[in-house]
Amino acid sequence: DTGVSQDPRHKITKRGQNVTFRCDPISEHNRLYWYRQTLGQGPEFLTYFQNEAQLEKSRLLSNRFSAERPKGSFSTLEIQRTEQGDSAMYLCASSFGGFSYEQYFGPGTRLTVT
Amino acid sequence: QQQVKQSPQSLIVQKGGISIINCAYENTAFDYFPWYQQFPGKGPALLIAIRPDVSEKKEGRFTISFNKSAKQFSLHIMDSQPGDSATYFCAAKSDYKLSFGAGTTVTVRA
Repeated sequence: DTGVSQDPRHKITKRGQNVTFRCDPISEHNRLYWYRQTLGQGPEFLTYFQNEAQLEKSRLLSNRFSAERPKGSFSTLEIQRTEQGDSAMYLCASSFGGFSYEQYFGPGTRLTVT
Repeated sequence: QQQVKQSPQSLIVQKGGISIINCAYENTAFDYFPWYQQFPGKGPALLIAIRPDVSEKKEGRFTISFNKSAKQFSLHIMDSQPGDSATYFCAAKSDYKLSFGAGTTVTVRA
């Protein structure tokens, strides 16, 4: 399977704990995006990387959230001191770059904060 | 505030019928308009997309109609099948990020 992969698929954590999610984009895609989707809503943009550079962060991304893409390949999204409001599906997408606009999504990581 | 408004929230169609989902936007910086299909527990899958210099695009049973002056676009699903039962999201791109509508849950009755 050469699509976007995400790990873990599900995560249950207690409030106040830190969690980290991983995304592996489609090979040769140099752009990588993180979105968050809550129940009954469309995905909301969180942040975007071109290669290893983080070029934009949404105001939704509080200082408890940090994302990295150290070698321009996989990316991690860390949430520190989780809150119940962080419960959501965290989606990763990638795109080829240049004038290619198509973003391909992974299966997501479902986070439940208890 | 939602930059892309999508309607209806849900619809039911008989097998073989036509499903129509509408979206509207205000931001004239949007330059690419994709539609995604999402099944429960899965990530959104790109279905079809259009650029604002084109008024219609058809791929199989799926057609996007785009009205730039009205800032509206719609998805038509022809000959709807039970396997089309899913949530559909319209989206619009400015810079590199997508802004999504709230989604339409389509149920196709056999």
